[in-house]
Amino acid sequence: GAVVSQHPSRVICKSGTSVKIECRSLDFQATTMFWYRQFPKKSLMLMATSNEGSKATYEQGVEKDKFLINHASLTLSTLTVTSAHPEDSSFYICSARAPGQSHEKLFFGSGTQLSVL
Amino acid sequence: GENVEQHPSTLSVQEGDSAVIKCTYSDSASNYFPWYKQELGKGPQLIIDIRSNVGEKKDQRIAVTLNKTAKHFSLHITETQPEDSAVYFCAAPLTGGGNKLTFGTGTQLKVEL
Repeated sequence: GAVVSQHPSRVICKSGTSVKIECRSLDFQATTMFWYRQFPKKSLMLMATSNEGSKATYEQGVEKDKFLINHASLTLSTLTVTSAHPEDSSFYICSARAPGQSHEKLFFGSGTQLSVL
Repeated sequence: GENVEQHPSTLSVQEGDSAVIKCTYSDSASNYFPWYKQELGKGPQLIIDIRSNVGEKKDQRIAVTLNKTAKHFSLHITETQPEDSAVYFCAAPLTGGGNKLTFGTGTQLKVEL
């Protein structure tokens, strides 16, 4: 299957700082990527849809100023958690749809565990 | 929108036994049903998927069955092995949602020696 790389895998930061998470499609171009958030032992909750060259689409209840998404190229989307607080601690996962695949088939990155102290 | 329910939330089986996880969905227009396996601290990995034009799909020890009339689909793992231990998620498309997926609540599968 297609490879989606996510970095970093783990980050610890102080409250009030910003953290950037990168999601790359390694062997294909992705016009659309998705960002999910997952709490321990819970399901994946879609946060936003990242669209190359245009603004991201956020799900209801997700603060766009808090979670900044940039999709500047066909292989890279970034999620920046601004002014992070302990309640932002979570597992963040990106996914992308590979070309030539059915439009629903998603490939996921390895996730980023964010811990805000 | 689509509502996906998944059962059981936890499942413990003996090595070599079969495991079955079931999901139901609400939108009769849904036509694509994937299953993902997530190991601890990692992202979900697609293990098998099925389209609504078929009732069953098999890939070695893994199979998925679909009943469109009843709006449910199931994951079947035969001859389970310890490395099958993980969390499994079903999903269905969010109709009218730009081909986004709605995920089930997950099943923690533990294969015991």
